[in-house]
Amino acid sequence: GESVGLHLPTLSVQEGDNSIINCAYSNSASDYFIWYKQESGKGPQFIIDIRSNMDKRQGQRVTVLLNKTVKHLSLQIAATQPGDSAVYFCAENIADSSYKLIFGSGTRLLVRP
Amino acid sequence: DGGITQSPKYLFRKEGQNVTLSCEQNLNHDAMYWYRQDPGQGLRLIYYSQIVNDFQKGDIAEGYSVSREKKESFPLTVTSAQKNPTAFYLCASSLPNGDTQYFGPGTRLTVL
Repeated sequence: GESVGLHLPTLSVQEGDNSIINCAYSNSASDYFIWYKQESGKGPQFIIDIRSNMDKRQGQRVTVLLNKTVKHLSLQIAATQPGDSAVYFCAENIADSSYKLIFGSGTRLLVRP
Repeated sequence: DGGITQSPKYLFRKEGQNVTLSCEQNLNHDAMYWYRQDPGQGLRLIYYSQIVNDFQKGDIAEGYSVSREKKESFPLTVTSAQKNPTAFYLCASSLPNGDTQYFGPGTRLTVL
């Protein structure tokens, strides 16, 4: 979803449940996608990436799914832990020479104990 | 211990003053970037540099300046022309293929 001013979309989950964070990207020419995690007052931390020639990639407790037909990206976190509480950003890289990433507005994940 | 460092962590400035934020990386990355983040917002690109002695404006370059005299350093100056400089500033670096960007810890600038 999109953020409006100070109000980031928020996902609240119970500890131990699975989390799914969604992102709609803007450009059909984008060929590389990244998920970042940002804890309060810190810089974004790389979680997982995926290229446009794939539709799924798995890491440790995380899975990224890419649906190019509807320009949709999702991040799945298995067995969500309190340490997963953060803001999650998706980013897309367009296949041109600009080397720029375009960031989404973020989703806040809150994990209830 | 490789990574990106930013200093200082907190910075206070009076209106009308220029201030320079430091960014250093020892990852041997050619490309470096500066972003601004406002509360509850995503990241907006200020400037980026793909190689030493070259840099390009990002989406919100007005009121900012940069230099890239060394591969490992990309300082950002927030000038008095920046109307609303209070924000969290993030520096990042990447390999020249434009893939994963790695971020520093950020500098929080407050204008008094």
